[in-house]
Amino acid sequence: DTGVSQDPRHKITKRGQNVTFRCDPISEHNRLYWYRQTLGQGPEFLTYFQNEAQLEKSRLLSDRFSAERPKGSFSTLEIQRTEQGDSAMYLCASSPRQGAYEQYFGPGTRLTVT
Amino acid sequence: AQSVTQLDSQVPVFEEAPVELRCNYSSSVSVYLFWYVQYPNQGLQLLLKYLSGSTLVKGINGFEAEFNKSQTSFHLRKPSVHISDTAEYFCALGGTAGNKLTFGGGTRVLVKP
Repeated sequence: DTGVSQDPRHKITKRGQNVTFRCDPISEHNRLYWYRQTLGQGPEFLTYFQNEAQLEKSRLLSDRFSAERPKGSFSTLEIQRTEQGDSAMYLCASSPRQGAYEQYFGPGTRLTVT
Repeated sequence: AQSVTQLDSQVPVFEEAPVELRCNYSSSVSVYLFWYVQYPNQGLQLLLKYLSGSTLVKGINGFEAEFNKSQTSFHLRKPSVHISDTAEYFCALGGTAGNKLTFGGGTRVLVKP
């Protein structure tokens, strides 16, 4: 049984560049979540999908951010025109649709914007 | 609106001593509570969860937590810590539509030999 995987684990980019992260959830998990964690803080919710439908987006998700989950499997999170304030750990989690409320997290992608 | 407060940002503790990490929450909807542990440069691992039923829940690695509705608390305890318990611990609250989690600010546990 494989867990949630994320790629890349680390990304260093220059301000103004676009970046894309990938998340592969646990097989057959219907729900997929993205969170952002800055240094010394708890994770903050960004968005979530049920199957391929994006059902909620946080106001933290500015128009430079876009997330997709085509075919209800893996998901991508893209940040356009990165800013230094985007530097953070981006965490992905998945959850079964029924009977469970806990979320299982991936190892995260650490983004550094220089 | 939901919120989670972890009252201690850092807790130093000696090996084999007990530890308690405090968590208080605020919610106007159904309450589901979780404790996660995060080791350096890693994701979050679920320690335990409270969904309903018994207010004392046991988790992995010898941790347990008690749900107290009247005090809106969900404190985490371990009777005897190991060096390997050095990590950051997060209390999280679910229960809204879609069950997005609201996290506390974390408590860093440093176990000293």
